[in-house]
Amino acid sequence: GAGVSQTPSNKVTEKGKYVELRCDPISGHTALYWYRQSLGQGPEFLIYFQGTGAADDSGLPNDRFFAVRPEGSVSTLKIQRTERGDSAVYLCASSPSGGANTGELFFGEGSRLTVL
Amino acid sequence: QQPVQSPQAVILREGEDAVINCSSSKALYSVHWYRQKHGEAPVFLMILLKGGEQKGHEKISASFNEKKQQSSLYLTASQLSYSGTYFCGTERSVNAGNMLTFGGGTRLMVKP
Repeated sequence: GAGVSQTPSNKVTEKGKYVELRCDPISGHTALYWYRQSLGQGPEFLIYFQGTGAADDSGLPNDRFFAVRPEGSVSTLKIQRTERGDSAVYLCASSPSGGANTGELFFGEGSRLTVL
Repeated sequence: QQPVQSPQAVILREGEDAVINCSSSKALYSVHWYRQKHGEAPVFLMILLKGGEQKGHEKISASFNEKKQQSSLYLTASQLSYSGTYFCGTERSVNAGNMLTFGGGTRLMVKP
């Protein structure tokens, strides 16, 4: 079956530009997560969706970052006025459920963002 | 607060054993272990929950000391396929919803 799909796999942009990263989770998974991974580091939590709503966005670094999941499946991470420090691999993960049901996260291969 | 993993890197020969540790300064509800190969997605290995429950792959062995807020992953009779970076991720409460705080990783290289 299909896993978590992320597009684009690579994105190079210039400082100040707007970027959108897309995540297509495993069908039927209600929970969706965005993480950011810098070189040589562990993934860093950004935002968690349960269905269509953002259950927790405490990891978003500032108001340049925003994410949506309008129909409860595909999610888009949006970054405005990109900065060089935003360069990282953005990982998306999904899970059959969230809340108190701790369980396996299924990660995508990530979108590598490079800001020049 | 990010958990601390040790060692940061280890090199093994095929068939040798290794232990990877994960330590937190805060009380934990669960510890999750993932392996990531270069350029690939992290892959789930195991979850250890407060109270002793474990979920994961049969060939993986790990422990969780709730009082010390520490977990260890045991890799026995290592194979070449075990190479990669191992991450522990922690949850501090039962309603954390899988929002994990990951450690910095332990790089494992298994040589023939």
